[in-house]
Amino acid sequence: DTGVSQDPRHKITKRGQNVTFRCDPISEHNRLYWYRQTLGQGPEFLTYFQNEAQLEKSRLLSDRFSAERPKGSFSTLEIQRTEQGDSAMYLCASSLVGTAYEQYFGPGTRLTVT
Amino acid sequence: RKEVEQDPGPFNVPEGATVAFNCTYSNSASQSFFWYRQDCRKEPKLLMSVYSSGNEDGRFTAQLNRASQYISLLIRDSKLSDSATYLCVVRGGGADGLTFGKGTHLIIQP
Repeated sequence: DTGVSQDPRHKITKRGQNVTFRCDPISEHNRLYWYRQTLGQGPEFLTYFQNEAQLEKSRLLSDRFSAERPKGSFSTLEIQRTEQGDSAMYLCASSLVGTAYEQYFGPGTRLTVT
Repeated sequence: RKEVEQDPGPFNVPEGATVAFNCTYSNSASQSFFWYRQDCRKEPKLLMSVYSSGNEDGRFTAQLNRASQYISLLIRDSKLSDSATYLCVVRGGGADGLTFGKGTHLIIQP
């Protein structure tokens, strides 16, 4: 399977703990995006990378959130001091610059903060 | 005003019928437009990009009206497998991340 992959698929954590999620994009895609989706809502954009550079961050990305893509391949999203409001599906997507910006999503990581 | 607005439905439609969804977007500088499909507890999947000239893919037809900032999706000869949430999506206008509507829930009934 050469699609976007995410790990873990599910994460349950206690409030105040740190969590880290990983995303592996489609191999030739140079852009990687993170989104968050809560029940009944469409996905909300968090941040994106072009190669290693983080080019855009949403105002939704509080200082407890940090994302990296150190070698321009996989990316990690870390949430520090988790809160119950962080419970959501975290989706990763990738795209190739110059191809109408169509984004392809991974299966997501479902985070539950208790 | 929400950036991308859709009727959440649900739309209950008999199998074989034609159904149309609309959405409006607020940012006139938006540059790219898409319809995604999302099944329950799954990731969004790209259904089709929407071009200014309109485009068709099998039973699906998408149209864009930039003047009215309006996007539509038409599904002909609907199948049970078309039951899903359809997300209207725009990109651009100062941001490269996608902006999603809340989705329109479609239920095809046998």
